[in-house]
Amino acid sequence: SQKIEQNSEALNIQEGKTATLTCNYTNYSPAYLQWYRQDPGRGPVFLLLIRENEKEKRKERLKVTFDTTLKQSLFHITASQPADSATYLCALRSGGGGADGLTFGKGTHLIIQP
Amino acid sequence: GAVVSQHPSWVICKSGTSVKIECRSLDFQATTMFWYRQFPKQSLMLMATSNEGSKATYEQGVEKDKFLINHASLTLSTLTVTSAHPEDSSFYICSAAPGQGRETQYFGPGTRLLVL
Repeated sequence: SQKIEQNSEALNIQEGKTATLTCNYTNYSPAYLQWYRQDPGRGPVFLLLIRENEKEKRKERLKVTFDTTLKQSLFHITASQPADSATYLCALRSGGGGADGLTFGKGTHLIIQP
Repeated sequence: GAVVSQHPSWVICKSGTSVKIECRSLDFQATTMFWYRQFPKQSLMLMATSNEGSKATYEQGVEKDKFLINHASLTLSTLTVTSAHPEDSSFYICSAAPGQGRETQYFGPGTRLLVL
């Protein structure tokens, strides 16, 4: 069956350092992969989308890589700040036409310590 | 832009009653809306896909007679939890996709349902 795994339930990082989160998937051939941020009691907020033919994508302090051979995506936050503390979700949708729903990983709870 | 709202933001009801949750796309038209459910410390789970003007498509294991979905316009989808029971208590989140095949979904703020 299809599965998305994200590394550890909580990740503590010192402010100013780079936080790296991992998303591994099995039994998928995704056309693209997405990362979302979710704060407690709130809906997810879209951050980045990376396609299967893209190796890397950047947005301000965020960087995402996508290795379809390893079936893995890495999500980096550079110069991390306490305001970056949240749960980060990896999501996949199968390729093809139409608008399919997303399958999410359980998320990694990131804590940036001052 | 791309704002999705949900109403109510939280609701407490007695077991056996029905609860309606609204999802609106405020500044765009959404051909497709999705309903998710999230239990504490768990991932969002897709419940159903709602297409304007047609019947919703439910994921395996989701009872369509219990979770009624209506997508009557391009900006409004409703989820009705019928005869709610305590095990239906959860965080319900909708999302909207602006147009067929568009990749990005915009999520609402969620509705917390507590069934006593």
